[in-house]
Amino acid sequence: DAMVIQNPRYQVTQFGKPVTLSCSQTLNHNVMYWYQQKSSQAPKLLFHYYDKDFNNEADTPDNFQSRRPNTSFCFLDIRSPGLGDAAMYLCATSSGQTGGNEQFFGPGTRLTVL
Amino acid sequence: SQQGEEDPQALSIQEGENATMNCSYKTSINNLQWYRQNSGRGLVHLILIRSNEREKHSGRLRVTLDTSKKSSSLLITASRAADTASYFCATPRSGNTGKLIFGQGTTLQVKP
Repeated sequence: DAMVIQNPRYQVTQFGKPVTLSCSQTLNHNVMYWYQQKSSQAPKLLFHYYDKDFNNEADTPDNFQSRRPNTSFCFLDIRSPGLGDAAMYLCATSSGQTGGNEQFFGPGTRLTVL
Repeated sequence: SQQGEEDPQALSIQEGENATMNCSYKTSINNLQWYRQNSGRGLVHLILIRSNEREKHSGRLRVTLDTSKKSSSLLITASRAADTASYFCATPRSGNTGKLIFGQGTTLQVKP
């Protein structure tokens, strides 16, 4: 089945130690999104790629970076995780950039920062 | 700024009862979407209703949209314990960006 996969499902890192979360998709969608979701809150968009075009949200800290080496894969790099970065990180895809397309989500990666 | 606001924040019902969740938004939209999120999991798309539609059904789900009031409701009929989850409405951001703005969500608990 076509799907969005995130690895790992749970990630524990130490304060200040760089960490990379990965997302892959078999849907062949050209748009990929990264969201941060804290407990009992709505998902917050960090950035997205339309093909290779990177679009950063204005309030996304510089600590968060992303790479998309090809259509299928997208990575979220947190250069120096702080305690406040502990959250669920959700990857999603959609088939186009026009407004209104359904987004397909992966299961998420739960990040713990010690 | 946050586009969608939902109420109630939390809802607890017995199995078999109906559950209604409401969403309000601020600006003009061309569609509104509802998503479900089981605890510790990703979001799953439930239904999309376009601005020229007033009501849409999908199985036990019924969604209404009132563009004059900038509001939508999600009704789950004959609820089941498996419906226990958080439900989010989402609206496209202005501009042709494909981005969605999610409401704060309604946490639904269905007791067996």
